[in-house]
Amino acid sequence: EIVLTQSPGTLSLSPGERATLSCRASQSVTKYLAWYQQKPGQAPRLVIYDAINRATGIPARFSGSGSGTDFTLTISSLEPEDFGVYYCQQRGIRPPWTFGQGTKVEIK
Amino acid sequence: EVQLVESGGGLVQPGGSLRLSCTASGFTFTTYEVNWVRQAPGKGLEWISYISTSDSIIFYADSVKGRFAISRDNAENSVYLQMNSLRVEDTAVYYCATDTRQPNWGQGTLVTVSS
Repeated sequence: EIVLTQSPGTLSLSPGERATLSCRASQSVTKYLAWYQQKPGQAPRLVIYDAINRATGIPARFSGSGSGTDFTLTISSLEPEDFGVYYCQQRGIRPPWTFGQGTKVEIK
Repeated sequence: EVQLVESGGGLVQPGGSLRLSCTASGFTFTTYEVNWVRQAPGKGLEWISYISTSDSIIFYADSVKGRFAISRDNAENSVYLQMNSLRVEDTAVYYCATDTRQPNWGQGTLVTVSS
């Protein structure tokens, strides 16, 4: 089973700052890595799919990079609505999906 | 509007059963593979089950294998999760989501297992 490890656990930043979130896979997932944003009481919201593609309606300040085992989600300039927990997720075969443990982006 | 709606959650005693439903509207559900994902209070996301379009391929997480059963009724545009022998640790919000490059997720349904 592929294990996804996210770092850091918590990121304390101010609006306008750059956020860099990391996700490392225990074995290659090629390009099949997604990023989700979740706020309290809400379902996860897809941000990035296939490592580099912004989901529908996601602003250009969000970008994804990486392939194989190392992936990064970058938010170029944080807006107040960007704060929440971010999860990476891989789409595989067995099991079909696995998730990282999450990175909380909080207001400093 | 493309939408998935989960239902069937509630309070159940340990050892009890519940059947969750995931019903789609606004798109042809029959062509989509579906996953169930859960989230315990204050915890992260946990994938628990998958079903292919024709229900010929099914997977379960080890944590629910032998207790949960996934099925689908394409005529009803629905996928189901039958949960038996429920444990306190099964308490969570349960989400269904399409297995696509840009998955559609439902809003979740809360299952509470408590005496």
